[in-house]
Amino acid sequence: DTGVSQDPRHKITKRGQNVTFRCDPISEHNRLYWYRQTLGQGPEFLTYFQNEAQLEKSRLLSDRFSAERPKGSFSTLEIQRTEQGDSAMYLCASSLTEKQETQYFGPGTRLLVL
Amino acid sequence: LAKTTQPISMDSYEGQEVNITCSHNNIATNDYITWYQQFPSQGPRFIIQGYKTKVTNEVASLFIPADRKSSTLSLPRVSLSDTAVYYCLVGGRGSSNTGKLIFGQGTTLQVKP
Repeated sequence: DTGVSQDPRHKITKRGQNVTFRCDPISEHNRLYWYRQTLGQGPEFLTYFQNEAQLEKSRLLSDRFSAERPKGSFSTLEIQRTEQGDSAMYLCASSLTEKQETQYFGPGTRLLVL
Repeated sequence: LAKTTQPISMDSYEGQEVNITCSHNNIATNDYITWYQQFPSQGPRFIIQGYKTKVTNEVASLFIPADRKSSTLSLPRVSLSDTAVYYCLVGGRGSSNTGKLIFGQGTTLQVKP
C-alpha cells in the first residue's frame, strides 16, 4: 500500500503529558498537511509543509503544538502539556504542488486526553 | 477559499440515485470544485473534481452549471456502503495557493435497505 500512513492510530494520554504523532506521505508528494477533526465537524487545517519548509500555521496551532518535516519526507506533530480540549482526530494529508486541492488523507490518529 | 453551503443530511434507499447540491455563490475564476467522502473513523477520500460542465468517473458524476455558483454530486444506484459524510469544497490551483482545504459540516448521507 503506497497511501498516506499515520502512527499511532490511537493514543490515550493523561493531561499534561506530551504526545508525538507521525505521518508518512505518498513518496512523490512534496506537500504535507495536518488537520484536526472533532466529532461532528469537518477537518480543520492546522499547518502545511512544502518539502521541508513549514509555510503556514493556523491560529488553532497554539505554542504547545509543533510540527516538523526534517527531510521533506515524513512529518511529526508534537503536542506538549496536553489538555482535554486537544482530544480529537489528527489527520495528515499529502499532495503534489500542482494539484494541491487533491489531497490524499491518512487514516488519522485519534487522541484522547484524560 | 469560497464558502460552500450544502444540506446537513440526506436519506436514500439502496439502488436509488442520490444528488447532493452545493452552493458556492462567491466562487472565484480560478477555483475548482472538489468533493470528498468520509467514513467514520477514516480520513476523507477524494471523489471527484471539476471546473465546469460535467465530469464523470467510476464513482460519481459532477454537474456544474454555466454560472458555477452551484454544483451537484450525483451518486448512481447507491448501496449501504455509500453511507458517509460528503464534503463540497472550492479552491484554486497554482503554487501561490496554499491548498489548505476548508471543510464545512458536510452532508451526512444515510442509505437505508
